Amino acid sequence: QKEVEQNSGPLSVPEGAIASLNCTYSDRVSQSFFWYRQYSGKSPELIMSIYSNGDKEDGRFTAQLNKASQYVSLLIRDSQPSDSATYLCAGHTGGFKTIFGAGTRLFVKA
Amino acid sequence: GAGVSQSPSNKVTEKGKDVELRCDPISGHTALYWYRQSLGQGLEFLIYFQGNSAPDKSGLPSDRFSAERTGGSVSTLTIQRTQQEDSAVYLCASSLDRGLSEQYFGPGTRLTVT
Repeated sequence: QKEVEQNSGPLSVPEGAIASLNCTYSDRVSQSFFWYRQYSGKSPELIMSIYSNGDKEDGRFTAQLNKASQYVSLLIRDSQPSDSATYLCAGHTGGFKTIFGAGTRLFVKA
Repeated sequence: GAGVSQSPSNKVTEKGKDVELRCDPISGHTALYWYRQSLGQGLEFLIYFQGNSAPDKSGLPSDRFSAERTGGSVSTLTIQRTQQEDSAVYLCASSLDRGLSEQYFGPGTRLTVT
């Protein structure tokens, strides 16, 4: 199993819908997680961090962490074409090394 | 405030040449990371610096790769005797501290080895 695993997609949703992005992680990855967005040809930009079990909301974005099941997800409400990008899930190992998933490509159709 | 800066933005070099890539982190950030991203791929961890501690070099792919961080701020990634498989975007990120801190990325250096 990869340390941080994501479905590569592409995930296609219509404008205004909820986009759900999922990530699973191995035992080596610690309990701090991050979601980054990366537009084509650009560097990753931080969307949200989540450290505790449960939900964390920030505007149209909600991150969910389930430690028992070892998954973390990102929900994007009222998806816009400008949300079309690759979304990277990342987690820390015990040695503070950050492990990134390969990313999920999201397309929001107008 | 100023973000992470990297230079050059693009570098084309001939196989066998040495290259140096520079990263200037956000002021006050003590942790600095280097990653490599090949076309269409995820981020590959290369090396991590935290303050004055010994760096975590566990991600460097070969001994042709080295990095240093002077004065706890600017970092230079050096690739000696470049190979075509070194072609990628090299990304630098900094964070306020190690551990749980979020990382902020620079714009990257696109390296092409011909």
